[in-house]
Amino acid sequence: QVQLVQSGAEVKKPGASVKVSCKASGYTFTSYGISWVRQAPGQGLEWMGWISAYNGNTNYAQKLQGRVTMTTDTSTSTAYMELRSLRSDDTAVYYCARDGQLAVAGNFDYWGQGTLVTVSS
Amino acid sequence: DIQMTQSPSTLSASVGDRVTITCRASQSISSWLAWYQQKPGKAPKLLIYKASSLESGVPSRFSGSGSGTEFTLTISSLQPDDFATYYCQQYNSYPITFGQGTRLEIK
Repeated sequence: QVQLVQSGAEVKKPGASVKVSCKASGYTFTSYGISWVRQAPGQGLEWMGWISAYNGNTNYAQKLQGRVTMTTDTSTSTAYMELRSLRSDDTAVYYCARDGQLAVAGNFDYWGQGTLVTVSS
Repeated sequence: DIQMTQSPSTLSASVGDRVTITCRASQSISSWLAWYQQKPGKAPKLLIYKASSLESGVPSRFSGSGSGTEFTLTISSLQPDDFATYYCQQYNSYPITFGQGTRLEIK
């Protein structure tokens, strides 16, 4: 069965960086991409960007350009999302979701369990 | 960016009721719309994609319709498991955007 298992909760200080992992199993990793979506406490869903596990191409939300980097390790079927220069409003649950191989397909059929990132001094 | 607006924000209903949630896009998105269900502390679950296609394993009481800028999610007969928050999402163009959510609560 398809599973996306994310790394554990993180607490970071403002200005620091965080790197969240998402390990995929149950499907051919390079046949899909991964999108990252975050949800601030009590708020809605915000798409952060996408990476192709096939060729490493990325597409980032403009508001995060320059602060976010998405990568994959095909040898371990793991996707990573690094967010730098953290601010308090980056406090959120971060989700990975299976997406299209060569472009954002948009209908996210499998999701990770979420990783809470808390930014606090 | 394409803005997605859901109505109502909160909906109170009873088991067995038929309910409809509306999602409007700020510009045409053709049929590139998905609906998700989210329960507290859980990841969203895909219900409908391409406006009206039912995701595998999703009960047939869920249905979606619409195209262009106006879309609806209908639950034909509410079950206890359906009380949750529902989000629409457009994937016609970058950035992908979501509606603000509709909380479906027990009357």
